[in-house]
Amino acid sequence: ETGVTQTPRHLVMGMTNKKSLKCEQHLGHNAMYWYKQSAKKPLELMFVYNFKEQTENNSVPSRFSPECPNSSHLFLHLHTLQPEDSALYLCASSQVRQGIYEQYFGPGTRLTVT
Amino acid sequence: AQSVTQLDSQVPVFEEAPVELRCNYSSSVSVYLFWYVQYPNQGLQLLLKYLSGSTLVKGINGFEAEFNKSQTSFHLRKPSVHISDTAEYFCAVSDREGGAQKLVFGQGTRLTINP
Repeated sequence: ETGVTQTPRHLVMGMTNKKSLKCEQHLGHNAMYWYKQSAKKPLELMFVYNFKEQTENNSVPSRFSPECPNSSHLFLHLHTLQPEDSALYLCASSQVRQGIYEQYFGPGTRLTVT
Repeated sequence: AQSVTQLDSQVPVFEEAPVELRCNYSSSVSVYLFWYVQYPNQGLQLLLKYLSGSTLVKGINGFEAEFNKSQTSFHLRKPSVHISDTAEYFCAVSDREGGAQKLVFGQGTRLTINP
């Protein structure tokens, strides 16, 4: 595997379900991100992790719970979601050091909440 | 707070014609600017970035963009498009602190190439 991978690619869940999204980066990066891409809205940054520590929570509801066990893996735990949470969830990674600013994105998980 | 406006939600052009996708930003501080492309069912891929120096930036797939500080713009151009350029294009801005981790994206421009 190369780059940033995300599983599953598609997920349908009911409002009372609990599920998790997984992201893995194979680039040796030290920062990872979750973004939400909704129809007709700009891409929104949700969470930022640097060296496994959460450094940014962009006012995300508590029904979204991120976890970063190591620099290569990032999870997004979902519970009691609402239909408006249906979106494409993108993971990204980057190497945070002087002069390096590019974020590499995974293909996303298409989430539908019924 | 920063914001990005992509002035066209959809741009249809004929194959081999030139194209310009417009992006304006607002920020009270110095910024980094990026263009990303998203092909169907894929994540975002970086096309090019402006960090400092020359205001004309060249990227992958023949794209280029020009940073204009006085007009707070960062328009994307290609002199001759191909069918394979059909995709959604996103402009993004970040302040200069923290390694450009907090990207603010525009709403995207869908580029459609007609044969």
